[in-house]
Amino acid sequence: SQTIHQWPATLVQPVGSPLSLECTVEGTSNPNLYWYRQAAGRGLQLLFYSVGIGQISSEVPQNLSASRPQDRQFILSSKKLLLSDSGFYLCACTGRGGTEAFFGQGTRLTVV
Amino acid sequence: AQSVTQLDSQVPVFEEAPVELRCNYSSSVSVYLFWYVQYPNQGLQLLLKYLSGSTLVKGINGFEAEFNKSQTSFHLRKPSVHISDTAEYFCAVSEVRTSYDKVIFGPGTSLSVIP
Repeated sequence: SQTIHQWPATLVQPVGSPLSLECTVEGTSNPNLYWYRQAAGRGLQLLFYSVGIGQISSEVPQNLSASRPQDRQFILSSKKLLLSDSGFYLCACTGRGGTEAFFGQGTRLTVV
Repeated sequence: AQSVTQLDSQVPVFEEAPVELRCNYSSSVSVYLFWYVQYPNQGLQLLLKYLSGSTLVKGINGFEAEFNKSQTSFHLRKPSVHISDTAEYFCAVSEVRTSYDKVIFGPGTSLSVIP
């Protein structure tokens, strides 16, 4: 089955600094990839999803961007972080045909 | 577009008592349905899934869920909960497509098991 590697586990960044979170997938090829954000005490908000290299769809307007330079690599970025970017970020992947989503362990981002 | 509703944001229950976590969805096409569990500061783990066939689905840790198409529901149940079941539970839906399967999650239900 798929394994999602996501790092770092925790990150504290000052307002206005850049961000780069990386996610890599093992155990499958050509996966659909997702970035979710989970604010404290709230559900998961889908930020971006990708069905292939270089193909990124944004679900909500925001201060973040995503890229998929390789089939099993998904990167979440920001040029200048805002306080409101704080949260728990989860990378996930799905296969084709209705399989479940597999999740990484998440990154706890605190913008100070 | 599909959406998922979990009416109960918090559910306290005594240890060894039964529990039901409610989930309703809306979609214009056929869907796949999932329940996930999240322990503090961790990713999500699949509890069970409904793709087709029997509407009663059994998952890990003694949980089960029943798909009701007419009521567009997929409620999660466990006959006797343990302290270790304290966690956040998410219902999710994915529309049946041939191109991609975007998974949409409900807002979550926080289950607290009281000793």
